[in-house]
This record gives sequence, C-alpha cells and structure tokens, in this order.
Amino acid sequence: GAVVSQHPSWVICKSGTSVKIECRSLDFQATTMFWYRQFPKQSLMLMATSNEGSKATYEQGVEKDKFLINHASLTLSTLTVTSAHPEDSSFYICSARVPSGNYNEQFFGPGTRLTVL
Amino acid sequence: EDKVVQSPLSLVVHEGDTVTLNCSYEVTNFRSLLWYKQEKKAPTFLFMLTSSGIEKKSGRLSSILDKKELSSILNITATQTGDSAIYLCAFNAGGTSYGKLTFGQGTILTVHP
Repeated sequence: GAVVSQHPSWVICKSGTSVKIECRSLDFQATTMFWYRQFPKQSLMLMATSNEGSKATYEQGVEKDKFLINHASLTLSTLTVTSAHPEDSSFYICSARVPSGNYNEQFFGPGTRLTVL
Repeated sequence: EDKVVQSPLSLVVHEGDTVTLNCSYEVTNFRSLLWYKQEKKAPTFLFMLTSSGIEKKSGRLSSILDKKELSSILNITATQTGDSAIYLCAFNAGGTSYGKLTFGQGTILTVHP
C-alpha cells in the first residue's frame, strides 16, 4: 500500500514559538492531503484540505493564520503551528489521497505529537 | 451539519467473545462509509462500504451498511488481545466535499486474555 511519513514524530516547544510538521507521500504523488488533529480520547477532527499548488481549504473554526499549510510539491505538505500555546498540544495526523484507483481511500501518516510548554 | 455517531464509546470483553460496534450517520451527500483501526499511532484502513458494496468481510472482521437505517456495524468474532484498539468509522462526502472524511468519536475496545 501507499506510504505516508511525518516528521517529526514528536516535538516539545516553548509557548510562543512556531513548529513545522512535514507530511510526505513516499511512493506516490498526492495532489490532495488532509490535516487532522486528535485530542486525547477523542476522534480525529479535520483541520484543512491541502491542495498542491493552491491555497488550503480550512474547516470552520480553524484559524488559517495560526495553522499555515503549504503544499508546494506533489509529495510534500507542511503544517506550521505559529505562536504555539499549550492548548495547541495535540496529536497531528496527515493523510494523502491516492490519485488513481480508489479515490475513497486515504493513507495516514504516523502522526506528530506536539507538546507546548 | 453532517454527523457520525458511534456506540458504544468503550467496550471491555474477554478473548473469544464476539463484539458488534455501531456507527450511525446523518449526512447530506453520502458517498461511502469507512472503518479504521487505530492503535498507538495513525488509523489503519479496514473497510469501505458504498451503495454498491454494502457488506465486506476479512477474516474475523466483517461490516455491513444499512442504507435505510443510515447505519453500519463492524463485527469482530473470536476476539484476540491484538484486537484492542480504537475503532473509528468515517463517512466520505460527495459533491464539493469529495474526499473529506468526517469521523465518529470512536469505540475503545479492550480485549482481556
């Protein structure tokens, strides 16, 4: 199956700093990637849809100026959490949609655990 | 607003038991319903159910989509400790929301030896 990687797998930062998370499709090209956030014992919440070469589409309630998404190539999307605060501490997961075959299937990255002190 | 509700939220069983997990949905533009298993990291894909494929089976796991009742069930027979995980169902919308997944809260399954 298709492989999606994320880097870093975990990060601890101070309040007020910015953190960048990378999502890569390793063996396929992904025109569309999705970013999710998952708080402890809760489900995945879609934050935004990342489209290669265009602006991301954010879900209602997600601040686009705080969560910057860049999808500059067909294999890489980045999420930057700007001026992070403790309430941003969460598990961030990306997924990529395979561009051919079954469009309903998304492959998930292993996730990045962000802790803001 | 589109909504996916799972029940029960948690379930504790012993090895060998059979479990049934429920997922109901209220969506405006249904395309497919998916089941995922999440252990310590990201979800892994189990099944996809659509209008043309309402029943799927893989080993001890099976799933059925009831379009009339707007619900789906995931069955696991002869459970093993390795089945302990969070089981998530999600619907995939059509139209302009094509490809976006909306997840339910998940069911935490714990299988004791």
